[in-house]
Amino acid sequence: EAGVAQSPRYKIIEKRQSVAFWCNPISGHATLYWYQQILGQGPKLLIQFQNNGVVDDSQLPKDRFSAERLKGVDSTLKIQPAKLEDSAVYLCASSLDWSDITSTDTQYFGPGTRLTVL
Amino acid sequence: SQKIEQNSEALNIQEGKTATLTCNYTNYSPAYLQWYRQDPGRGPVFLLLIRENEKEKRKERLKVTFDTTLKQSLFHITASQPADSATYLCAPHRPDGSGNTGKLIFGQGTTLQVKP
Repeated sequence: EAGVAQSPRYKIIEKRQSVAFWCNPISGHATLYWYQQILGQGPKLLIQFQNNGVVDDSQLPKDRFSAERLKGVDSTLKIQPAKLEDSAVYLCASSLDWSDITSTDTQYFGPGTRLTVL
Repeated sequence: SQKIEQNSEALNIQEGKTATLTCNYTNYSPAYLQWYRQDPGRGPVFLLLIRENEKEKRKERLKVTFDTTLKQSLFHITASQPADSATYLCAPHRPDGSGNTGKLIFGQGTTLQVKP
């Protein structure tokens, strides 16, 4: 079974530029997550999708971050314009079905994209 | 607000010893608690899950305990090996009021270094 795929693995940009990350979850997984992980911290949830709908985007800085999962499969996360404090690893994860109350929501993570904003 | 705390300092132990990592939580009553392992440059990998009605869970050399009174989980690695060196994240959660699974909240992780 293929895991969660992410690209690119690394990205270096200047502040105020834009950047996009792509994620392809495990086949059949209804729930997709984007996390931001700053060095020395645990992953922080930015946005959660259930199929192609947004479940939680309460911690997404909506003035500069956007995300979509149009067909309920792969997803893109965009930052425009980037700030220095956006330097972090952006992790994508998927789980089978978050809406199933009997689920324990074990999440499967991709390798992440390391973003450096100069 | 909900708060998850793990040992912020790295844990250095000798090969063959038992490593014990701590996860404390406040303002929270999780139904489950998950432990993940994260290697440098990689995403977290699920290791174990323990439910609130379970005191202890084992998997090979790993053991997790869950004390809802103390609001604490302990993660043990017995007969530790250099290959166990990594950052370990705890993530408690509970189903939300809407009947969904709820949201994982990750601790900051504890880095374990096992020396040969």
